[in-house]
Amino acid sequence: GNSVTQMEGPVTLSEEAFLTINCTYTATGYPSLFWYVQYPGEGLQLLLKATKADDKGSNKGFEATYRKETTSFHLEKGSVQVSDSAVYFCALGQVGRRALTFGSGTRLQVQP
Amino acid sequence: NAGVTQTPKFQVLKTGQSMTLQCAQDMNHEYMSWYRQDPGMGLRLIHYSVGAGITDQGEVPNGYNVSRSTTEDFPLRLLSAAPSQTSVYFCASSPLGGRSPYNEQFFGPGTRLTVL
Repeated sequence: GNSVTQMEGPVTLSEEAFLTINCTYTATGYPSLFWYVQYPGEGLQLLLKATKADDKGSNKGFEATYRKETTSFHLEKGSVQVSDSAVYFCALGQVGRRALTFGSGTRLQVQP
Repeated sequence: NAGVTQTPKFQVLKTGQSMTLQCAQDMNHEYMSWYRQDPGMGLRLIHYSVGAGITDQGEVPNGYNVSRSTTEDFPLRLLSAAPSQTSVYFCASSPLGGRSPYNEQFFGPGTRLTVL
Protein backbone atom coordinates (compact mmCIF):
# COMPACT_ATOMS: atom_id res chain seq x y z
CA GLY A 1 0.00 0.00 0.00
CA ASN A 2 0.87 3.66 -0.07
CA SER A 3 2.91 5.25 2.67
CA VAL A 4 4.69 8.51 3.42
CA THR A 5 7.65 8.84 5.77
CA GLN A 6 8.76 12.18 7.19
CA MET A 7 11.65 13.10 9.40
CA GLU A 8 10.72 13.28 13.05
CA GLY A 9 10.58 16.62 14.75
CA PRO A 10 10.61 18.97 16.28
CA VAL A 11 12.99 20.87 14.05
CA THR A 12 14.27 23.97 15.82
CA LEU A 13 15.97 26.68 13.79
CA SER A 14 17.03 30.27 14.21
CA GLU A 15 15.45 32.93 12.04
CA GLU A 16 17.02 33.14 8.55
CA ALA A 17 18.38 29.60 8.74
CA PHE A 18 18.00 27.12 5.87
CA LEU A 19 15.25 24.55 6.22
CA THR A 20 15.02 21.01 4.89
CA ILE A 21 12.26 18.60 5.90
CA ASN A 22 12.73 15.17 4.37
CA CYS A 23 9.85 13.21 2.87
CA THR A 24 9.97 9.86 1.10
CA TYR A 25 7.09 7.83 -0.21
CA THR A 26 6.05 4.36 -1.32
CA ALA A 27 3.36 4.06 -3.96
CA THR A 28 2.50 2.21 -7.11
CA GLY A 29 2.22 4.13 -10.33
CA TYR A 30 2.65 7.88 -10.48
CA PRO A 31 1.22 9.67 -7.47
CA SER A 32 0.88 13.40 -6.97
CA LEU A 33 2.73 14.84 -4.00
CA PHE A 34 1.73 17.60 -1.62
CA TRP A 35 2.96 19.60 1.33
CA TYR A 36 0.32 20.84 3.75
CA VAL A 37 0.98 23.22 6.66
CA GLN A 38 -0.92 23.43 9.94
CA TYR A 39 -0.51 26.62 11.95
CA PRO A 40 -1.32 26.48 15.67
CA GLY A 41 -5.03 26.07 16.31
CA GLU A 42 -5.91 25.85 12.63
CA GLY A 43 -6.71 23.23 10.02
CA LEU A 44 -4.36 22.11 7.29
CA GLN A 45 -3.66 24.36 4.29
CA LEU A 46 -2.12 23.34 1.00
CA LEU A 47 1.40 24.77 0.77
CA LEU A 48 2.57 23.36 -2.56
CA LYS A 49 2.16 20.39 -4.86
CA ALA A 50 3.78 18.52 -7.76
CA THR A 51 1.92 16.20 -10.08
CA LYS A 52 4.69 14.48 -12.05
CA ALA A 53 8.34 13.54 -11.82
CA ASP A 54 10.83 16.44 -11.83
CA ASP A 55 8.07 18.99 -11.19
CA LYS A 56 8.98 21.63 -8.64
CA GLY A 57 6.24 23.02 -6.44
CA SER A 58 6.80 26.41 -4.82
CA ASN A 59 4.92 28.85 -2.62
CA LYS A 60 5.80 31.48 0.00
CA GLY A 61 9.52 30.81 -0.46
CA PHE A 62 9.12 27.05 0.08
CA GLU A 63 10.10 24.59 -2.65
CA ALA A 64 9.96 20.85 -3.18
CA THR A 65 10.98 18.76 -6.19
CA TYR A 66 9.31 15.47 -7.12
CA ARG A 67 12.18 12.97 -7.43
CA LYS A 68 10.92 9.67 -8.74
CA GLU A 69 14.36 8.02 -8.74
CA THR A 70 14.72 8.54 -5.00
CA THR A 71 10.94 8.55 -4.24
CA SER A 72 11.38 11.81 -2.37
CA PHE A 73 9.72 15.20 -2.06
CA HIS A 74 11.85 17.16 0.40
CA LEU A 75 10.65 20.58 1.52
CA GLU A 76 13.17 23.44 1.52
CA LYS A 77 13.24 27.12 2.34
CA GLY A 78 16.28 29.34 2.12
CA SER A 79 15.53 31.63 5.05
CA VAL A 80 12.89 30.76 7.62
CA GLN A 81 10.91 33.24 9.67
CA VAL A 82 9.28 32.97 13.07
CA SER A 83 5.93 32.99 11.27
CA ASP A 84 6.88 29.70 9.55
CA SER A 85 6.56 27.88 12.88
CA ALA A 86 3.96 25.19 12.22
CA VAL A 87 3.51 21.49 11.57
CA TYR A 88 4.28 20.39 8.01
CA PHE A 89 2.69 17.31 6.44
CA CYS A 90 3.84 15.52 3.33
CA ALA A 91 1.06 13.69 1.48
CA LEU A 92 0.45 11.72 -1.68
CA GLY A 93 -2.61 11.19 -3.83
CA GLN A 94 -3.38 8.85 -6.66
CA VAL A 95 -5.93 8.72 -9.44
CA GLY A 96 -8.74 6.42 -8.43
CA ARG A 97 -8.18 6.97 -4.72
CA ARG A 98 -10.21 9.80 -3.23
CA ALA A 99 -8.18 10.27 -0.09
CA LEU A 100 -4.67 11.53 0.51
CA THR A 101 -2.09 9.47 2.39
CA PHE A 102 -0.36 11.65 4.97
CA GLY A 103 2.97 11.44 6.71
CA SER A 104 3.11 11.84 10.48
CA GLY A 105 3.98 15.54 10.31
CA THR A 106 7.08 17.51 11.30
CA ARG A 107 6.88 20.34 13.77
CA LEU A 108 9.05 23.35 12.92
CA GLN A 109 9.96 25.87 15.60
CA VAL A 110 11.74 29.03 14.47
CA GLN A 111 13.37 31.13 17.16
CA PRO A 112 14.04 34.86 16.79
CA ASN B 1 -17.29 32.22 1.88
CA ALA B 2 -16.85 30.61 5.27
CA GLY B 3 -15.08 27.60 3.72
CA VAL B 4 -15.25 24.46 5.85
CA THR B 5 -16.69 24.92 9.33
CA GLN B 6 -16.71 22.45 12.19
CA THR B 7 -18.52 22.42 15.51
CA PRO B 8 -17.81 22.07 18.33
CA LYS B 9 -14.16 23.09 18.69
CA PHE B 10 -13.73 21.08 21.88
CA GLN B 11 -15.73 18.26 23.45
CA VAL B 12 -15.32 15.99 26.45
CA LEU B 13 -17.35 12.78 26.59
CA LYS B 14 -17.66 9.89 28.97
CA THR B 15 -17.20 6.36 27.72
CA GLY B 16 -20.42 5.10 26.14
CA GLN B 17 -21.88 8.50 25.35
CA SER B 18 -22.87 9.40 21.82
CA MET B 19 -22.41 12.64 19.93
CA THR B 20 -22.30 14.14 16.46
CA LEU B 21 -19.49 16.25 15.09
CA GLN B 22 -20.81 18.75 12.58
CA CYS B 23 -19.13 19.73 9.32
CA ALA B 24 -20.41 22.13 6.68
CA GLN B 25 -18.94 23.69 3.56
CA ASP B 26 -20.24 26.48 1.35
CA MET B 27 -18.07 25.88 -1.70
CA ASN B 28 -20.43 23.39 -3.39
CA HIS B 29 -17.77 20.68 -3.22
CA GLU B 30 -18.90 17.18 -4.07
CA TYR B 31 -16.22 15.38 -2.07
CA MET B 32 -16.15 15.53 1.72
CA SER B 33 -14.19 13.47 4.20
CA TRP B 34 -13.36 12.99 7.86
CA TYR B 35 -9.86 12.41 9.20
CA ARG B 36 -8.54 11.83 12.67
CA GLN B 37 -5.16 13.16 13.72
CA ASP B 38 -3.20 11.32 16.38
CA PRO B 39 0.32 12.08 17.62
CA GLY B 40 2.98 10.48 15.45
CA MET B 41 0.44 9.05 13.03
CA GLY B 42 -0.48 11.87 10.72
CA LEU B 43 -4.05 12.02 9.44
CA ARG B 44 -6.05 8.87 8.84
CA LEU B 45 -9.22 8.73 6.78
CA ILE B 46 -12.39 7.67 8.62
CA HIS B 47 -15.20 8.06 6.05
CA TYR B 48 -15.74 9.97 2.87
CA SER B 49 -18.51 10.97 0.49
CA VAL B 50 -18.50 11.83 -3.20
CA GLY B 51 -21.96 13.38 -3.17
CA ALA B 52 -25.31 13.54 -1.42
CA GLY B 53 -26.52 10.06 -0.57
CA ILE B 54 -23.12 8.41 -1.23
CA THR B 55 -20.69 7.49 1.54
CA ASP B 56 -17.89 4.99 1.91
CA GLN B 57 -15.42 3.78 4.50
CA GLY B 58 -11.87 4.93 4.81
CA GLU B 59 -8.91 3.50 6.68
CA VAL B 60 -10.32 3.58 10.24
CA PRO B 61 -14.16 3.52 10.08
CA ASN B 62 -14.98 1.38 13.13
CA GLY B 63 -17.02 3.18 15.77
CA TYR B 64 -18.11 5.99 13.44
CA ASN B 65 -21.14 6.56 11.22
CA VAL B 66 -21.73 9.18 8.56
CA SER B 67 -24.52 10.31 6.29
CA ARG B 68 -24.72 12.88 3.51
CA SER B 69 -28.22 14.22 2.96
CA THR B 70 -27.10 17.50 1.41
CA THR B 71 -24.05 18.71 -0.52
CA GLU B 72 -23.19 21.14 2.30
CA ASP B 73 -23.27 18.92 5.40
CA PHE B 74 -21.36 15.81 6.41
CA PRO B 75 -21.83 14.95 10.10
CA LEU B 76 -19.77 12.31 11.88
CA ARG B 77 -21.52 10.28 14.57
CA LEU B 78 -19.92 8.44 17.48
CA LEU B 79 -22.53 5.95 18.69
CA SER B 80 -20.73 4.80 21.85
CA ALA B 81 -17.58 6.75 22.57
CA ALA B 82 -14.42 4.96 23.67
CA PRO B 83 -11.13 6.37 25.05
CA SER B 84 -9.43 5.17 21.85
CA GLN B 85 -11.46 7.80 19.99
CA THR B 86 -9.71 10.62 21.82
CA SER B 87 -8.25 12.58 18.93
CA VAL B 88 -8.46 15.70 16.80
CA TYR B 89 -10.99 15.35 14.00
CA PHE B 90 -10.74 17.23 10.74
CA CYS B 91 -13.32 17.56 8.03
CA ALA B 92 -12.17 18.30 4.50
CA SER B 93 -13.83 19.03 1.17
CA SER B 94 -12.71 19.10 -2.42
CA PRO B 95 -14.25 19.61 -5.83
CA LEU B 96 -14.48 16.56 -8.04
CA GLY B 97 -13.81 16.53 -11.72
CA GLY B 98 -10.47 16.43 -13.41
CA ARG B 99 -7.94 14.14 -11.84
CA SER B 100 -9.14 14.04 -8.24
CA PRO B 101 -7.46 13.80 -5.70
CA TYR B 102 -5.17 16.19 -7.55
CA ASN B 103 -7.66 18.83 -6.52
CA GLU B 104 -6.77 20.71 -3.37
CA GLN B 105 -8.52 19.58 -0.21
CA PHE B 106 -9.81 22.33 2.08
CA PHE B 107 -9.75 21.57 5.78
CA GLY B 108 -11.86 22.78 8.66
CA PRO B 109 -10.26 24.02 11.92
CA GLY B 110 -10.79 20.71 13.71
CA THR B 111 -12.62 19.35 16.75
CA ARG B 112 -10.58 18.22 19.72
CA LEU B 113 -12.38 15.31 21.37
CA THR B 114 -11.50 13.74 24.71
CA VAL B 115 -13.21 10.55 25.87
CA LEU B 116 -12.80 9.76 29.56
